[in-house]
Amino acid sequence: DAGVIQSPRHEVTEMGQEVTLRCKPISGHDYLFWYRQTMMRGLELLIYFNNNVPIDDSGMPEDRFSAKMPNASFSTLKIQPSEPRDSAVYFCASRLSANYGYTFGSGTRLTVV
Amino acid sequence: SQELEQSPQSLIVQEGKNLTINCTSSKTLYGLYWYKQKYGEGLIFLMMLQKGGEEKSHEKITAKLDEKKQQSSLHITASQPSHAGIYLCGADGQGAQKLVFGQGTRLTINP
Repeated sequence: DAGVIQSPRHEVTEMGQEVTLRCKPISGHDYLFWYRQTMMRGLELLIYFNNNVPIDDSGMPEDRFSAKMPNASFSTLKIQPSEPRDSAVYFCASRLSANYGYTFGSGTRLTVV
Repeated sequence: SQELEQSPQSLIVQEGKNLTINCTSSKTLYGLYWYKQKYGEGLIFLMMLQKGGEEKSHEKITAKLDEKKQQSSLHITASQPSHAGIYLCGADGQGAQKLVFGQGTRLTINP
């Protein structure tokens, strides 16, 4: 199994531009999570899906952030417009079901200049 | 919401020494997870604990969950340079999938 696959690994963009981060969960996993990691705030849960349905998006910082999961093998996190304070490492994770561990991808390091 | 506090925040030990990292919760822990992260990389799953008093080991790393399920410890025996990194504890609530993390413990191993 290739694990959770995220792309791109690094993204540098100018303030105001749209950014799309991508995630492919492990096949068969029912849950998908998006996290953001910064030095100041640590790891924060942004949103999670169960069977492609968004369950809890209370961690999404503001309307500039949106996430979709059109099918069981693909999810996107979009920031529009991006701001310098969005600079962080964004992780995607998936989980088979309750009582199993969460598997994280390698992350996307986003820099907004 | 559940809050996790890790101690110490950073730890420097000499190679070959034992060490312990603690994770304390403000609420009862239903699922407690330990992860390791190296700079610039993703989180590597170490262990999951769910039952009070549970203890799990993998190679030289042992994790325990206390009987009251509000504190967990991670113990490394005979530390090696490969153990260096950031150790994170995470927890989710009963029936919930919201995994929240402590602030992490940065471990440095000196040769």
